[in-house]
Amino acid sequence: QSALTQPRSVSGSPGQSVSISCTGTASDVGAHNYVSWYRHQPGKAPELLIHALSRRASGVPDRFSGSKSGITASLTISGLQAGDEADYYCCFSEGSYPWVFGGGSKLTVL
Amino acid sequence: QVQVAESGGGVVQPGGSLRLSCAASGFIFSDYGMHWVRQAPGKGLEWVAFIGNDGKKEYYLESVKGRFAISRDNFKDTLYLQMNTLTTEDTAVYYCVKDPGRDGWSYFDHWGQGTLVTVSS
Repeated sequence: QSALTQPRSVSGSPGQSVSISCTGTASDVGAHNYVSWYRHQPGKAPELLIHALSRRASGVPDRFSGSKSGITASLTISGLQAGDEADYYCCFSEGSYPWVFGGGSKLTVL
Repeated sequence: QVQVAESGGGVVQPGGSLRLSCAASGFIFSDYGMHWVRQAPGKGLEWVAFIGNDGKKEYYLESVKGRFAISRDNFKDTLYLQMNTLTTEDTAVYYCVKDPGRDGWSYFDHWGQGTLVTVSS
């Protein structure tokens, strides 16, 4: 299982939409929808945003959405807010060993 | 509500040992698998170990196999991580994380705040 590739940083202005990519291979992301997304704000516990590619976790606003094209999954945040600044991580697992994270993307709200 | 709280972090010399604990509350601990995930300084998240709800299934990151041992006490609602032969590469914040299922699902649904382990001479 290879690591997933994410951009180190992304940015957007308040109110805009931003997408964070997560690139795997044809045998993992390309073949299955077992992609999850997490937000990690400094000093806080990471939190689940999306699982099974596009299912929002309980309490997560519909500004957050997940999708996939080929071997690349994406997290899209619409109506960007200052409070969205954080590190975002994707993860892939088929429901058993191993669980593999992307390198993380730092979102800056300009 | 679901809560997991880590403890036991600290400073340890290379080659030393440390045991982390994670107290769980707000859910039936014995019904769910549990993980440890870590984050080294300036690095991303890295999954470390998993244990099934009844303790019979265990998985480890290749680099910690034979050095780390995950265990649980379903009577005390507590998860453990015994870390031996520590190296500076093990320096990280260690998170206790709940799995949505018994034997390992594809994602993590609740995370603790983490405990810092520093391996340094």
